[in-house]
Amino acid sequence: DAGVIQSPRHEVTEMGQEVTLRCKPISGHDYLFWYRQTMMRGLELLIYFNNNVPIDDSGMPEDRFSAKMPNASFSTLKIQPSEPRDSAVYFCASSLREDGTGELFFGEGSRLTVL
Amino acid sequence: SQKIEQNSEALNIQEGKTATLTCNYTNYSPAYLQWYRQDPGRGPVFLLLIRENEKEKRKERLKVTFDTTLKQSLFHITASQPADSATYLCALVGAGGTSYGKLTFGQGTILTVHP
Repeated sequence: DAGVIQSPRHEVTEMGQEVTLRCKPISGHDYLFWYRQTMMRGLELLIYFNNNVPIDDSGMPEDRFSAKMPNASFSTLKIQPSEPRDSAVYFCASSLREDGTGELFFGEGSRLTVL
Repeated sequence: SQKIEQNSEALNIQEGKTATLTCNYTNYSPAYLQWYRQDPGRGPVFLLLIRENEKEKRKERLKVTFDTTLKQSLFHITASQPADSATYLCALVGAGGTSYGKLTFGQGTILTVHP
């Protein structure tokens, strides 16, 4: 398996533009997580899905952020409109179990810069 | 509020020595604790998991301890090598309540092993 695949790897956009980040989890993994990493706040959990259903989105910063998982092999994280403070590296991860006994497999991340 | 602290942002040691990284937590009842390694520009990679009823876990040159009384985990790398240089993250999984199943990460410790 190729692992968790994220795209784009880098995105530079201007404030106010819509940003869509994409993730393909490892086949067979029932859980998908979106994290954001910044120097100031480290790795923060934004939202996670189980069998394509959002379970906990309490980490989503505000209504400008939305995430979907239309099927088991694809998820998107959308920011609309984007702001400079959204600049960060966004990671997608998948796991066989969400109760902590299963390791998380992370993608390489999408580095977002909002000017 | 719940807090995870990893000792010092950076740790520098000489090749061949043992590196010891600390993860302390407060206001938490973790069921599991995981350690990850992150290289620059890459996603975190799982290393070890230890359960709350386990005192110690080993994997090759790695050793993790978990003391729920002290609310602390120690991560040791013996016979360190320059290739061990990376950021090491601890992550806790809550045992219940709103933190159940969520993997919360510390800020990480940057380890540099000098030849």
